[in-house]
Amino acid sequence: AQSVSQHNHHVILSEAASLELGCNYSYGGTVNLFWYVQYPGQHLQLLLKYFSGDPLVKGIKGFEAEFIKSKFSFNLRKPSVQWSDTAEYFCAVNAGGAQKLVFGQGTRLTINP
Amino acid sequence: GAVVSQHPSWVICKSGTSVKIECRSLDFQATTMFWYRQFPKQSLMLMATSNEGSKATYEQGVEKDKFLINHASLTLSTLTVTSAHPEDSSFYICSAWLSSQETQYFGPGTRLLVL
Repeated sequence: AQSVSQHNHHVILSEAASLELGCNYSYGGTVNLFWYVQYPGQHLQLLLKYFSGDPLVKGIKGFEAEFIKSKFSFNLRKPSVQWSDTAEYFCAVNAGGAQKLVFGQGTRLTINP
Repeated sequence: GAVVSQHPSWVICKSGTSVKIECRSLDFQATTMFWYRQFPKQSLMLMATSNEGSKATYEQGVEKDKFLINHASLTLSTLTVTSAHPEDSSFYICSAWLSSQETQYFGPGTRLLVL
C-alpha cells in the first residue's frame, strides 16, 4: 500500500529564513505528487504538483519542490519565508492514473515575525 | 477556477439526529468527489469516494450506513451523517476531481458538533 511520510511535525522559523519540508513516499510505480497548504481557518489549496518532466516544479507564492525518484522524495522549498506562510502543509501522492490521494501527516509551519 | 463549496460551514445538532452536508463544484463538473474527515492537528482521513450515478466506495472501517453519500449530479455530492453521536463531531472536508488537471480541489470544510 502507498504511504507518505512527512518527518517534520512542527517547524518554527523566523521571517526570511529558508525552508525545506520533507516528504517521502512508498510506491514502486509511477506517481503524481502534490503539496497542499491549509492556512488557519481556510481550506486546502494546491501549492504545486508534479506529474512528469522537469523534476523541479515551481508553485504559487514562491514555493518549489524537487522530485528525486531515487530517494522517493518530493521536498518542498522556499528560499525566504514570510509570516503569512504560517500554515499546515500536506504532501500527497496518487499512483499514476488513480484519483485517490494518500496524504502525509502534515507539517505545521510557524513563522515568527 | 476550480472552486468547491460546502454547506453548511458549521452545524450543531443533537445526538440521534441526522445531518446533511453538501459539496458542490462551482465552475467544473466532477464525476468523482471525495469525502474526508480531519481531526484536530491531524491529517485528512479519506472516508469515501463518491461517484456520480453510482454507489460510493467506502474506505475500510467507515460505516456506509452511518455516512450516506449521494452523488446525484456532476456538481453535487452530499454526505449525510445518520443518527449522529458526539464521537462523530469532526471537520468534514470534500474534494472534487478535475479530470482535465488530474487534481483534487478541496472545499472549505464543515465543522460538525454533536451534543
